[in-house]
Amino acid sequence: DVKVTQSSRYLVKRTGEKVFLECVQDMDHENMFWYRQDPGLGLRLIYFSYDVKMKEKGDIPEGYSVSREKKERFSLILESASTNQTSMYLCASRDINLAKNIQYFGAGTRLSVL
Amino acid sequence: DAKTTQPNSMESNEEEPVHLPCNHSTISGTDYIHWYRQLPSQGPEYVIHGLTSNVNNRMASLAIAEDRKSSTLILHRATLRDAAVYYCILMNSGYSTLTFGKGTMLLVSP
Repeated sequence: DVKVTQSSRYLVKRTGEKVFLECVQDMDHENMFWYRQDPGLGLRLIYFSYDVKMKEKGDIPEGYSVSREKKERFSLILESASTNQTSMYLCASRDINLAKNIQYFGAGTRLSVL
Repeated sequence: DAKTTQPNSMESNEEEPVHLPCNHSTISGTDYIHWYRQLPSQGPEYVIHGLTSNVNNRMASLAIAEDRKSSTLILHRATLRDAAVYYCILMNSGYSTLTFGKGTMLLVSP
């Protein structure tokens, strides 16, 4: 089974702090994604990466950056956390076999910014 | 983007079959129909997908209407662990991302 592991289930940070959310997948998938999920707003794409050292902005990249130095790891960085970044963050990976186009998700990190 | 319409919620009893409907009247010829579900406090989980023919896997069955404007996810025997929000999504083969609507919250009673 594919396993996508997010480093923390719950995080509490203060406004202005730099926050790192880590995601690791064990299936050698080329594509990885970061989403946030908020009540009433559904799932929104922050950034995605087609392969190592490649990244593309999603729908809401402002206030975030990403890093993909190794194939299995995709990090989301909040440069200066703000209260409106309190959310559930979800990482996903995908096989490049687009005929399947299945994304595998981690359990999520619930981030609270105070 | 082609949109989907699902009921907000459905209820079922344990051990009974559940049919979760999805309408997608503006589906294009290259759109796949995907279903994901999200259990409480968990990330979304892939369930099943199809293009034209009905599909079965260990989790569920997917019945696709002949005109492809609707589909039904079938859980053959609901368990308490099937209580989740179920999302019906149209995915073009060139799509990179997922867009979830509100989905259907399935409640399963013992």
